[in-house]
Amino acid sequence: DTGVSQDPRHKITKRGQNVTFRCDPISEHNRLYWYRQTLGQGPEFLTYFQNEAQLEKSRLLSDRFSAERPKGSFSTLEIQRTEQGDSAMYLCASSLESRPGLAGLVEQFFGPGTRLTVL
Amino acid sequence: AQSVTQLDSHVSVSEGTPVLLRCNYSSSYSPSLFWYVQHPNKGLQLLLKYTSAATLVKGINGFEAEFKKSETSFHLTKPSAHMSDAAEYFCVVTPVKLGSGANNLFFGTGTRLTVIP
Repeated sequence: DTGVSQDPRHKITKRGQNVTFRCDPISEHNRLYWYRQTLGQGPEFLTYFQNEAQLEKSRLLSDRFSAERPKGSFSTLEIQRTEQGDSAMYLCASSLESRPGLAGLVEQFFGPGTRLTVL
Repeated sequence: AQSVTQLDSHVSVSEGTPVLLRCNYSSSYSPSLFWYVQHPNKGLQLLLKYTSAATLVKGINGFEAEFKKSETSFHLTKPSAHMSDAAEYFCVVTPVKLGSGANNLFFGTGTRLTVIP
């Protein structure tokens, strides 16, 4: 399967613990996005990377959240000192932006998500 | 600012009858509009997209949507529902800004489609 993959698919943790999620985008895609989806809501943008550079972060991304894409391929999203309010589905998406300014025209391909439950 | 309003949180139709999922948008820029579908335990899948070409957009699995600028609407339709269409559907807007960086997707809250046999 050459789509976007995410690991783990499910994570249950206790409040205060740290968790890390991984996303492997489609191999030639230069953009990678993280979204969060809570129950009954649509996904909300968290952050995105152009190759290895993190270019934008949402106000939803508190100081406890950090994301990396060290070699411009896979990405990790870490949440430190988890809180019950962090319980959500974390989605990763990737796209190929071939020409600047055309990003709004390009499809984002989504992974299956990582469901986080904080007890 | 960009936002999407999906007017119905839940739509129920009988198999073989038409489907209408309503969506209104707001955008400070010329928008691109998308419909995504989310089946349980599966990733979001693109159904169709509007990017300022033809206003009537055809997508996969017999779905189509019409962009109406005067009504700021992008409703999703299908002539005949199939059991496999039961899923969550999201209307999505993103601004098309030449020279800009991100194209963050702004999702609606979703419409759950139930198909009754």
